[in-house]
Amino acid sequence: AQSVTQPDIHITVSEGASLELRCNYSYGATPYLFWYVQSPGQGLQLLLKYFSGDTLVQGIKGFEAEFKRSQSSFNLRKPSVHWSDAAEYFCAVGGRFGNEKLTFGTGTRLTIIP
Amino acid sequence: SAVISQKPSRDICQRGTSLTIQCQVDSQVTMMFWYRQQPGQSLTLIATANQGSEATYESGFVIDKFPISRPNLTFSTLTVSNMSPEDSSIYLCSVRIPGTGANVLTFGAGSRLTVL
Repeated sequence: AQSVTQPDIHITVSEGASLELRCNYSYGATPYLFWYVQSPGQGLQLLLKYFSGDTLVQGIKGFEAEFKRSQSSFNLRKPSVHWSDAAEYFCAVGGRFGNEKLTFGTGTRLTIIP
Repeated sequence: SAVISQKPSRDICQRGTSLTIQCQVDSQVTMMFWYRQQPGQSLTLIATANQGSEATYESGFVIDKFPISRPNLTFSTLTVSNMSPEDSSIYLCSVRIPGTGANVLTFGAGSRLTVL
């Protein structure tokens, strides 16, 4: 069965500092991988996705993520965080077929301090 | 991208009552998904709703507790029946938008239910 692990429940970083959120997955084949962000009181917004090709993918709001097959990881990074990045971040894994459901990690809450 | 409207955005309910959550999409979609997000936990898929057929429920979720309607290609409802405090969660509606890629989901803002 597919699964996603986000080992960090809560991360605090200073505004302007770099950020890396960890995500490890388990999937029987090459997965589709996603990062979503949930701001307070909002639904989930897609930040970026990996389907195939270049293992470094760019997303919205200056985020990027790198797919590392050997480590079963898909870590999210941002070189310089802004106060507006404070939110909950979810990693998700899914199959290559449209009828396969997504499996989400438990999320990482990001706090930004001035 | 699609706009998904959910109502109510939040509600406080009494134990034993039922509440229906509405999800309206501004474009026609084949599949609509209902997720539950319990406090401090991840999103869990409750069921998939297809227009014109019965919803498909995930393990651990049953139709008597979470009846779903899908009368057309832009609308669905999820009812949380005979609520208990354990049903306090955020319930999210999501859809796949054609042309955005396989398995790319768009979410509504969610309905936060508190059961007393």
